[in-house]
Amino acid sequence: KQEVTQIPAALSVPEGENLVLNCSFTDSAIYNLQWFRQDPGKGLTSLLLIQSSQREQTSGRLNASLDKSSGRSTLYIAASQPGDSATYLCAVLSGSARQLTFGSGTQLTVLP
Amino acid sequence: EAGVVQSPRYKIIEKKQPVAFWCNPISGHNTLYWYLQNLGQGPELLIRYENEEAVDDSQLPKDRFSAERLKGVDSTLKIQPAELGDSAVYLCASSSGPDTQYFGPGTRLTVL
Repeated sequence: KQEVTQIPAALSVPEGENLVLNCSFTDSAIYNLQWFRQDPGKGLTSLLLIQSSQREQTSGRLNASLDKSSGRSTLYIAASQPGDSATYLCAVLSGSARQLTFGSGTQLTVLP
Repeated sequence: EAGVVQSPRYKIIEKKQPVAFWCNPISGHNTLYWYLQNLGQGPELLIRYENEEAVDDSQLPKDRFSAERLKGVDSTLKIQPAELGDSAVYLCASSSGPDTQYFGPGTRLTVL
């Protein structure tokens, strides 16, 4: 059974800092990995999707890397802003049923 | 294009009462998912539909939970009777392919 772990569970940083969120998964046979953002009381917004054959994806100040063999991904946020405050969830698509398995998330607070 | 629509957004009921959640997926999306998200956790799949057919309902507690997707469009998730432990956010998602799911805002259920 696929398991996804995210570290840290919570993170508080001053505005302007660069930061890294970590995600690990137990079964490296994945189709893809996604990073989502969830604001309080809202649904999930997909930030980046990395296919299993890719090593990284970039969107604006966000960069996500994937090391499938070691079962790890990182989300790098450059020059953080208070508007980046949210919970960031990592999810992997795997298995014959192509099921999406989520981590518990990292709650990020960027202080002005 | 409208996103995934869910209603109600919030629901408060007493234990042992029935409750139902409604989801309208993105137009043209054949696949529909219901997820359960407990506080501080990532979403967990309850059921997946391909058109009208429930193709993965292994995580659905069938003693009290039921779901339907009539005509392969809208879907309803029902709990009867609700228990205190059912308090959570119920998320609906839809997709047109296996890779990317689009999530609705969720229904926050509180069982008293």
